Amino acid sequence: AQSVSQHNHHVILSEAASLELGCNYSYGGTVNLFWYVQYPGQHLQLLLKYFSGDPLVKGIKGFEAEFIKSKFSFNLRKPSVQWSDTAEYFCAVTSGYSSASKIIFGSGTRLSIRP
Amino acid sequence: GAGVSQSPSNKVTEKGKDVELRCDPISGHTALYWYRQSLGQGLEFLIYFQGNSAPDKSGLPSDRFSAERTGGSVSTLTIQRTQQEDSAVYLCASSAPGAMGTEAFFGQGTRLTVV
Repeated sequence: AQSVSQHNHHVILSEAASLELGCNYSYGGTVNLFWYVQYPGQHLQLLLKYFSGDPLVKGIKGFEAEFIKSKFSFNLRKPSVQWSDTAEYFCAVTSGYSSASKIIFGSGTRLSIRP
Repeated sequence: GAGVSQSPSNKVTEKGKDVELRCDPISGHTALYWYRQSLGQGLEFLIYFQGNSAPDKSGLPSDRFSAERTGGSVSTLTIQRTQQEDSAVYLCASSAPGAMGTEAFFGQGTRLTVV
């Protein structure tokens, strides 16, 4: 069965620090990978996605993620965080064989940025 | 409307009562998903629809939970004989047909409190 692991439950950084949030998935076939973000009091929204092509994908607000197939990983990075990046971040995976299949989410990583 | 709409936004109910949660997906989106988000927890998959059928309802926690979708549009999640452990935010999402890697768009959720 598909699963997603986010090992960092709560990350605290100072502004301008670099960020890397880990995401590993368990699925042997072709996958689509996503990072969603939930800002305080707001709904979940897409940060970036990967489904084919260049394994380094860039998203909104300076975020990027790299798909490393051999490591089953899709880590999220940002070179310099801002206080406004304080949010909960969710990694997610779906089967790449279907245009619609259930989306499996990780448990989330809460990011707190000290101003 | 332009986004996924959920109603009510908040629901307080007495233990043992039945509740219905409604989701209006984005027009034209054929896939619809229900998730549950408990305090400090990730997103727990409940069920997803492709059109009016539910290929995967494996996440429904018990037979007190059911969901239906009519006309390929609105979906209702029903919880019978509510229990305190049902208290959570129930999220609905929809996605467009066609290309793989299509993202899911989330509603604001319904916060259910069972007292």
